[in-house]
Amino acid sequence: EVQLVESGGGLVQPGGSLRLSCAASGFTFSGFAMNWIRQAPGKGLEWVSSISGSAAYTYYADLVKGRFTISRDNSRNTVYLQMNSLRPEDTAVYYCARGLEEAATNPQGSWGQGTLVTVSS
Amino acid sequence: SYVVTQPPSVSVAPGQTARITCGANKIGSRSVHWYHQKPGQAPVLVVYDDRARPSGIPERFSGSNSGNTATLIITRVEAGDEADYYCQVWDTTGDQYVFGTGTKVTVL
Repeated sequence: EVQLVESGGGLVQPGGSLRLSCAASGFTFSGFAMNWIRQAPGKGLEWVSSISGSAAYTYYADLVKGRFTISRDNSRNTVYLQMNSLRPEDTAVYYCARGLEEAATNPQGSWGQGTLVTVSS
Repeated sequence: SYVVTQPPSVSVAPGQTARITCGANKIGSRSVHWYHQKPGQAPVLVVYDDRARPSGIPERFSGSNSGNTATLIITRVEAGDEADYYCQVWDTTGDQYVFGTGTKVTVL
């Protein structure tokens, strides 16, 4: 069974940094793309970033480009999202999601339960 | 940026067919994926690549995509289908995914 467990969320001040982690199990981690998608309170889904299984390809939403960095450690079955220069509008539940295949452009077939990031002074 | 729009809400009686649209410029030339999300839960992929279903998704869920509109079709609607539904498209110009604005499906 595919399991994705996010961690690292919390309260951070504007301009601060946070690193999210997503521990995966139940599948061959390096064979699948991984994604981060967020959802602000009461709002819709917003795709944030994706990384291919080999980590050769990464993609970012315009709103986070230059501030967020996605990475993965295939030996630890973990994907990360380093978030810098955080803004109040980055406040959201951040979901980790696995792609259907290795390519980073694949849709997200399995999701974690999310971790809440709150950016506020 | 690529803009994808959905109707805010759709209401349907049990046993009837729900059609949820997703509009964007020449969306018919792209692959569209659909997710549903129930309150307090993570989203679930229900249709991908316009009309394919992941394992475990009932045959009642299907899709179509042509011109400027993609459609998620739910036949024989059940109370358990009540959820928010989102379409998703890969924007090849910006190299990023775009979600639609979301549609709340209410089962009467």
